[in-house]
Amino acid sequence: DQQVKQNSPSLSVQEGRISILNCDYTNSMFDYFLWYKKYPAEGPTFLISISSIKDKNEDGRFTVFLNKSAKHLSLHIVPSQPGDSAVYFCAASGYSGAGSYQLTFGKGTKLSVIP
Amino acid sequence: DSGVTQTPKHLITATGQRVTLRCSPRSGDLSVYWYQQSLDQGLQFLIQYYNGEERAKGNILERFSAQQFPDLHSELNLSSLELGDSALYFCASSARDQTGLPQYFGPGTRLTVL
Repeated sequence: DQQVKQNSPSLSVQEGRISILNCDYTNSMFDYFLWYKKYPAEGPTFLISISSIKDKNEDGRFTVFLNKSAKHLSLHIVPSQPGDSAVYFCAASGYSGAGSYQLTFGKGTKLSVIP
Repeated sequence: DSGVTQTPKHLITATGQRVTLRCSPRSGDLSVYWYQQSLDQGLQFLIQYYNGEERAKGNILERFSAQQFPDLHSELNLSSLELGDSALYFCASSARDQTGLPQYFGPGTRLTVL
């Protein structure tokens, strides 16, 4: 049972345009959401996060939107650059007892930014 | 560079063997997490240690075990290896704050079981 879903395995966008990556979740107990970027042969790199008490968080070219009622979040990258080409993972966190906050990951979306 | 180090980078072994993966967390981080990423899969949480003690378990097989040492480095032991254990294994660490977020990941160890 996938609690975090990224339904688009891949996305191609022209350089300079907006990239929108989507993520859906099913567990209403998740209270923190994160996006990670992963290049080949490297570990995931933390990009941006959002708490469930907010609906938007912005950091430079990256903005994450959270729609709690729809259990949906999205990552907007504006403007997209060729260096943004990578696999993007959505992750969700919720308290799992004994002081532990586990991350549940989606399967990722491969973004290709075309020059 | 996240500050999390993992060794070795690559590991090739045979079925039935045992291997040990090593992780050093970022300076000052008390929590260490282990994840497995199989082909076309997202990262699957295996286990968490906090300051030397097991804190949470995820989808970790009984053939796998881990520990965190007093200097806070961690080792993941995989035994009786099967072909299906071939995967990328990531270690992550986080600070001591309440949420333990974000987690910072190491470069991973690619395990190939032949």
